[in-house]
Amino acid sequence: DVKVTQSSRYLVKRTGEKVFLECVQDMDHENMFWYRQDPGLGLRLIYFSYDVKMKEKGDIPEGYSVSREKKERFSLILESASTNQTSMYLCASSPPDRYYGYTFGSGTRLTVV
Amino acid sequence: KQEVTQIPAALSVPEGENLVLNCSFTDSAIYNLQWFRQDPGKGLTSLLLIQSSQREQTSGRLNASLDKSSGRSTLYIAASQPGDSATYLCAVRLQGGKLIFGQGTELSVKP
Repeated sequence: DVKVTQSSRYLVKRTGEKVFLECVQDMDHENMFWYRQDPGLGLRLIYFSYDVKMKEKGDIPEGYSVSREKKERFSLILESASTNQTSMYLCASSPPDRYYGYTFGSGTRLTVV
Repeated sequence: KQEVTQIPAALSVPEGENLVLNCSFTDSAIYNLQWFRQDPGKGLTSLLLIQSSQREQTSGRLNASLDKSSGRSTLYIAASQPGDSATYLCAVRLQGGKLIFGQGTELSVKP
């Protein structure tokens, strides 16, 4: 069964900490994405990547960066965590072919205190 | 700018009822449309994927339709069960691979 695995289900971090959220997929997909989900705002795209070492800003990239050193792994980095980054973070992957859909991970609930 | 709207925002039905969830999008230039299910505190599970050239897709008790020209999709759930209670999200795939989501419909099926 194909999978997108997010390393943590729940995280609690302190304001100002550097936070790493990890995502690994085993489907050899080129495309990977990071979304955050908030009540009333829905899912918003933070960053995405079409290939190793490539990255593109999504709709809300401020305060975040990403790293994709290997095809299967896409990391989201909060350089200096703030309370307004408390959210559910969702990683997804897809093949580049437009005929395929997305596969999502189980999410990471991040709380910044 | 593509916008995706889902109506209603919440729906409560008795067990056994057939129901329809609606999704509309403003720009018909989509590659495909995907319906997801999300349980509380969990990730998204893909239910159905409809290509832009297709009219409908079926999986078990679920049937999704797509009318690209009018910017509409529906998800039909037959003989609803309490286990169907979840939030249902539709999303359209744009050129470049980005996925734009609706706000979701929160479904509650009462025993």
